[in-house]
Amino acid sequence: RKEVEQDPGPFNVPEGATVAFNCTYSNSASQSFFWYRQDCRKEPKLLMSVYSSGNEDGRFTAQLNRASQYISLLIRDSKLSDSATYLCVVGGSQGNLIFGKGTKLSVKP
Amino acid sequence: GAGVSQSPSNKVTEKGKDVELRCDPISGHTALYWYRQSLGQGLEFLIYFQGNSAPDKSGLPSDRFSAERTGGSVSTLTIQRTQQEDSAVYLCASSLAKNIQYFGAGTRLSVL
Repeated sequence: RKEVEQDPGPFNVPEGATVAFNCTYSNSASQSFFWYRQDCRKEPKLLMSVYSSGNEDGRFTAQLNRASQYISLLIRDSKLSDSATYLCVVGGSQGNLIFGKGTKLSVKP
Repeated sequence: GAGVSQSPSNKVTEKGKDVELRCDPISGHTALYWYRQSLGQGLEFLIYFQGNSAPDKSGLPSDRFSAERTGGSVSTLTIQRTQQEDSAVYLCASSLAKNIQYFGAGTRLSVL
């Protein structure tokens, strides 16, 4: 089982749609969780951290279910500028980050 | 600048040559990481430096790869006798201890 697995995508949605990404991780001892965003030919940038209680930042909501080892990201009212690859990331025991392969989102007018 | 700086931004080399990639982390960040990303693939962890501790080299794919971090700041990733499969984007990130990582723009390496 891969350490971090994500929906393969791509997701093609119209502007204004709500889209959800899912992710599972294999190491139950993982302590930190993030969603990063990566634009084409650019470096990954932190979108948001994910907390056990769930957290929201504007149109973005992240959820963590430790029992199921499952992380989600919900994007409401999607914009053209949301088009990117979304990376599910889990903090490894050594301090490094373990990245999923990413889910590509394309928001169309 | 305030961000992580990597150089060169692009490097084209011939198979069998050695290359050095440089990373300047954010000032004050104690942790430094190297990753690589092949076309269409996820990020692959290579090596991690934390302060003065011995680096975690568990992700280095072969003994042709090595990295050092001088004075707890600048890091150099060296690839000896490059192979075509080494072609990828090499990304450096820095953070405060085990906190959020901030990435440089990467070095795009092409081995002909």
